[in-house]
Amino acid sequence: DADVTQTPRNRITKTGKRIMLECSQTKGHDRMYWYRQDPGLGLRLIYYSFDVKDINKGEISDGYSVSRQAQAKFSLSLESAIPNQTALYFCATSGQSSYEQYFGPGTRLTVT
Amino acid sequence: RKEVEQDPGPFNVPEGATVAFNCTYSNSASQSFFWYRQDCRKEPKLLMSVYSSGNEDGRFTAQLNRASQYISLLIRDSKLSDSATYLCVVNTLFGNEKLTFGTGTRLTIIP
Repeated sequence: DADVTQTPRNRITKTGKRIMLECSQTKGHDRMYWYRQDPGLGLRLIYYSFDVKDINKGEISDGYSVSRQAQAKFSLSLESAIPNQTALYFCATSGQSSYEQYFGPGTRLTVT
Repeated sequence: RKEVEQDPGPFNVPEGATVAFNCTYSNSASQSFFWYRQDCRKEPKLLMSVYSSGNEDGRFTAQLNRASQYISLLIRDSKLSDSATYLCVVNTLFGNEKLTFGTGTRLTIIP
């Protein structure tokens, strides 16, 4: 079984809809991250959490929110999806250091 | 200027050849450096860390040049399975462990 899982793997939604992407991990890591990846722009950090009570904005947090429900779960919400949020979204985890991050398989989100 | 810059490629290299990529970073306070590998439509995975003294892992060699602010990755005796996108990754903020990813260099090994 994969250590970091993401659901759904693919999602098509309409502009204005609320959508939640979920991430679970069995690695026992405290640190979790949400990234988006766009062609030509690389991976960009949306939000990160160093423990259950800690939430931090990344470089592109506008239009997104997160919830750290437990050590193993970190969800990303788009309150009102817009087309430029179409991207590949990755969740990642790391141990005490952020240097080695373990990524989930990604969620491909399309907003029409 | 981007914090981390890479030549996007693509690099099309015959099997068995040696190929090298460079990556430059803009923040002289950057402390840690890494190469991640990402296969098509898959998640990134850590390939190797880059140490100041240079380091080797099998056919892969990584080098860091702090004076010129670049890191390199050398792949010797390339295999078909080396075809992937290679991401240069830098820890850019002192005291706040956050990785900044380059956009990646795409490598295709040709039989």
